[in-house]
Amino acid sequence: AQSVTQPDIHITVSEGASLELRCNYSYGATPYLFWYVQSPGQGLQLLLKYFSGDTLVQGIKGFEAEFKRSQSSFNLRKPSVHWSDAAEYFCAVINTGNQFYFGTGTSLTVIP
Amino acid sequence: DTEVTQTPKHLVMGMTNKKSLKCEQHMGHRAMYWYKQKAKKPPELMFVYSYEKLSINESVPSRFSPECPNSSLLNLHLHALQPEDSALYLCASSQNLAGVRTGELFFGEGSRLTVL
Repeated sequence: AQSVTQPDIHITVSEGASLELRCNYSYGATPYLFWYVQSPGQGLQLLLKYFSGDTLVQGIKGFEAEFKRSQSSFNLRKPSVHWSDAAEYFCAVINTGNQFYFGTGTSLTVIP
Repeated sequence: DTEVTQTPKHLVMGMTNKKSLKCEQHMGHRAMYWYKQKAKKPPELMFVYSYEKLSINESVPSRFSPECPNSSLLNLHLHALQPEDSALYLCASSQNLAGVRTGELFFGEGSRLTVL
């Protein structure tokens, strides 16, 4: 069965520091992988997606993610975090039935 | 700015009330979705409509009744809810079911429901 795991429930980083949010997937074939961000009280916004090609994917707001098949991972990175990046981040995979499976999310706090 | 509009943003209702949540999109999308999200949890799929027909019902209790009157509108009718139904209800749309694979799933900002 398809699934994604986000091992970190909560992460705190200082503004200007680098960020890496972890995502591991379980999927038989090449997965369709996504990262979404949700600000408090808001809907979800797509940051980036991967389904083929270059394993380093660039997204919006300065985020990038790298697909590593050998590690079944799709970690999200940002070189320098801004206070406005504080939010909930969800990794997601799509199954053969075109249904999204979301990870449990990682809550990011940014301290001045 | 989101292109999926949900109303109302906040709703408080008693367990005997009947209310509705509304969702509208004008992107020409033919697949629309209802998700339920509890605090600090990921969204959980409830219903999927494809070309105005119910495609997926994830074993949702009958006190939740979806309706898709046309390709731009999606309603969620609520009746005899329980306090545990309090959550953020998110509407989303995609060009079609297959379009979801390219990540073109657009979410509204949600309707925050509180059941007393």
